[in-house]
Amino acid sequence: SQQGEEDPQALSIQEGENATMNCSYKTSINNLQWYRQNSGRGLVHLILIRSNEREKHSGRLRVTLDTSKKSSSLLITASRAADTASYFCATDLKTSYDKVIFGPGTSLSVIP
Amino acid sequence: KAGVTQTPRYLIKTRGQQVTLSCSPISGHRSVSWYQQTPGQGLQFLFEYFSETQRNKGNFPGRFSGRQFSNSRSEMNVSTLELGDSALYLCASSSGQGPRPYEQYFGPGTRLTVT
Repeated sequence: SQQGEEDPQALSIQEGENATMNCSYKTSINNLQWYRQNSGRGLVHLILIRSNEREKHSGRLRVTLDTSKKSSSLLITASRAADTASYFCATDLKTSYDKVIFGPGTSLSVIP
Repeated sequence: KAGVTQTPRYLIKTRGQQVTLSCSPISGHRSVSWYQQTPGQGLQFLFEYFSETQRNKGNFPGRFSGRQFSNSRSEMNVSTLELGDSALYLCASSSGQGPRPYEQYFGPGTRLTVT
């Protein structure tokens, strides 16, 4: 089974609204990263949050991490049509930095 | 700096054939990781190479292999292709050294279709 699981699988919102995606994982991690992928192309790194951090911001992105619940959330504020993409969380295990495990992703559609 | 490049971008092969995909990392990066992405299994880690050595490996059969050259360029090879090997193959480069974690920069991928 997946180390990381995003929720929901798909999300459709109007431009200007906020989008929230959640990621749950099973085992202890060193850090958690969020990536974006446009239409079956390469992934773009969005933000990294370390296991000792609780919240990080980058522009319109806000990521939280709750290690006690083994979950993270990605909030995109004031969404734009260009935010339409798939979003993945990726974790590396506390036992191994080298193996990065991706969740199945959330497909976000922002309707103009 | 030029980004990660992958060649070819699209490939159609027949069952039983073999295929070689190429990845050129960002200049100065010594680590290259390969991932397979399919609708059913999502993104799965294949292997990582650092300084011409395989440093980590995912759970894929031996038909999947790779190598890295002294200039950090990497190739992955899939032999005896099966229909289930149809996927987007992504490579990612990172510095691979210094304080962890290493930020990965992904290429556009190679879309492999096996018929």
